[in-house]
Amino acid sequence: DVKVTQSSRYLVKRTGEKVFLECVQDMDHENMFWYRQDPGLGLRLIYFSYDVKMKEKGDIPEGYSVSREKKERFSLILESASTNQTSMYLCASSLKGATNEKLFFGSGTQLSVL
Amino acid sequence: LAKTTQPISMDSYEGQEVNITCSHNNIATNDYITWYQQFPSQGPRFIIQGYKTKVTNEVASLFIPADRKSSTLSLPRVSLSDTAVYYCLVGEGNTPLVFGKGTRLSVIA
Repeated sequence: DVKVTQSSRYLVKRTGEKVFLECVQDMDHENMFWYRQDPGLGLRLIYFSYDVKMKEKGDIPEGYSVSREKKERFSLILESASTNQTSMYLCASSLKGATNEKLFFGSGTQLSVL
Repeated sequence: LAKTTQPISMDSYEGQEVNITCSHNNIATNDYITWYQQFPSQGPRFIIQGYKTKVTNEVASLFIPADRKSSTLSLPRVSLSDTAVYYCLVGEGNTPLVFGKGTRLSVIA
């Protein structure tokens, strides 16, 4: 089974801090994604990457950046954390070019910005 | 990307069969239909996927009519542990899948 590991289950940060959320997958998947999930809003796509050193903006990229230096690792960066970035962050991966794309998710990181 | 519409919530008693219908009127020829399940404080988990007709696995069945404008996820004999949010998505491999708000299923003893 594919394993997608997010480095922290819970994280508490202060406003203005730079925050790194790490995600690692072990199945050689080309595609990786970052979503955030808020009550009543479902999952919203922040950024995604279809290859190493490649990144694409999703629906809500403002206030975030990403890094994909290695195929297995996709990092989400909050340059200056704000309280409205308090959320559950979910990382996912999938195979490239699969017409029937199947996403594998990590367990999520619950980030609180105080 | 094809947009999906599904009920916001459903209730069911243990042991009953639950059918959750999703409409996707503008589904494209290359799109697959995929359902995910999400428990509280966890990431979504793939349940089942299909293109047309019927697909069955150990967890659920997926019924897709000939016009593919809707699909129905069927959960046989639900238990309390099936309480979760269920998402219906349509798409193909070239663009990221878009999650809606899903259907919150509550199973009652």
